[in-house]
Amino acid sequence: DAKTTQPNSMESNEEEPVHLPCNHSTISGTDYIHWYRQLPSQGPEYVIHGLTSNVNNRMASLAIAEDRKSSTLILHRATLRDAAVYYCILRDNQGGSEKLVFGKGMKLTVNP
Amino acid sequence: DVKVTQSSRYLVKRTGEKVFLECVQDMDHENMFWYRQDPGLGLRLIYFSYDVKMKEKGDIPEGYSVSREKKERFSLILESASTNQTSMYLCASSSTVQETQYFGPGTRLLVL
Repeated sequence: DAKTTQPNSMESNEEEPVHLPCNHSTISGTDYIHWYRQLPSQGPEYVIHGLTSNVNNRMASLAIAEDRKSSTLILHRATLRDAAVYYCILRDNQGGSEKLVFGKGMKLTVNP
Repeated sequence: DVKVTQSSRYLVKRTGEKVFLECVQDMDHENMFWYRQDPGLGLRLIYFSYDVKMKEKGDIPEGYSVSREKKERFSLILESASTNQTSMYLCASSSTVQETQYFGPGTRLLVL
């Protein structure tokens, strides 16, 4: 499985935008970029995913570099409820594999 | 909303006991997964299942077995619990059509 690299942690302030980076220099053409997050004492939850184009949903935006070797999860207005561990994951869409390989993730702290 | 439930939030067992962790999903998903999560190691896949009565080993299957007799239920079995199986156990499900994995709240198991 292709790997991703994230900072161990980041801090942001409430109501400000926050950009969470992820590097995936060995990404293959069929790998989708997925983001999940895990709030304290809960199971992970899906945030967003994309292949090549930038994606938006009600939770966040995903900006994907043109060469696909990096991506950025954007929370447009951080709230205290966004404090979580964020996982950037590559998922191969070929071969019917449904597996996700979680790394250690990145802890986001949101300051009031 | 998809709901994945796990039989217990907290469980305390003794070394050598047989332990059953139950997971139920209500969205008719084909795929179900068991992970364990340990500090500093992230989530690691134990077993997964693509269909009833089918199972595949994940990255760390040793010491575990699984059972999927019905589509909505996926059980993780510790045949003889050991202290190194003290961990947070997370169940997830997904459909073959949609890529998102939905997680349960987790079971924190302590083996004494």
